[in-house]
Amino acid sequence: EAQVTQNPRYLITVTGKKLTVTCSQNMNHEYMSWYRQDPGLGLRQIYYSMNVEVTDKGDVPEGYKVSRKEKRNFPLILESPSPNQTSLYFCASSLSVGGGDTQYFGPGTRLTVL
Amino acid sequence: GQNIDQPTEMTATEGAIVQINCTYQTSGFNGLFWYQQHAGEAPTFLSYNVLDGLEEKGRFSSFLSRSKGYSYLLLKELQMKDSASYLCAVRDNQAGTALIFGKGTTLSVSS
Repeated sequence: EAQVTQNPRYLITVTGKKLTVTCSQNMNHEYMSWYRQDPGLGLRQIYYSMNVEVTDKGDVPEGYKVSRKEKRNFPLILESPSPNQTSLYFCASSLSVGGGDTQYFGPGTRLTVL
Repeated sequence: GQNIDQPTEMTATEGAIVQINCTYQTSGFNGLFWYQQHAGEAPTFLSYNVLDGLEEKGRFSSFLSRSKGYSYLLLKELQMKDSASYLCAVRDNQAGTALIFGKGTTLSVSS
């Protein structure tokens, strides 16, 4: 089944404890992206990647890191999480950034930072 | 710059028709998407428009006017399960990323 998977789905952690949210897609997509979603603010892009070893900042990259060593994986790293990073996070992928290629979203990771 | 506007909330009753509007301003427009998102779940693709006109898909239709920077999503024969947020997203060639999302319209369908 073609899908985007994220782990963990739910995470409660404490300020300053490094964490990684994994994202994997099995559709051979070139493009991958991370979003956070907060009430009243909609989906805001954190980082995106056009291809392996190519990453770029989105609208809200502060406090986050990413890597794209393999085409299928795009982990999101929070080196020192803070309470303002409490949010619902989505990973997404698409075949390309052109035409009608839609983005497929993972199921989401609900992160709480205490 | 880029800007996408949608109403924050709408309400409707079962069996009715509702139209959700989206206006946008972008530098290099290259298509508009509509997504549906139920609370706490991932957005799912509904429709894609790149040329002016109406695209119909079952109970859902989407319209685009590029000259006016305007789109709408039309939902017919509303059902309770249509209660969700509807996200308008624009593909901008000059944005360097895949999609720019509006903040979404939360639709509540009552019986």
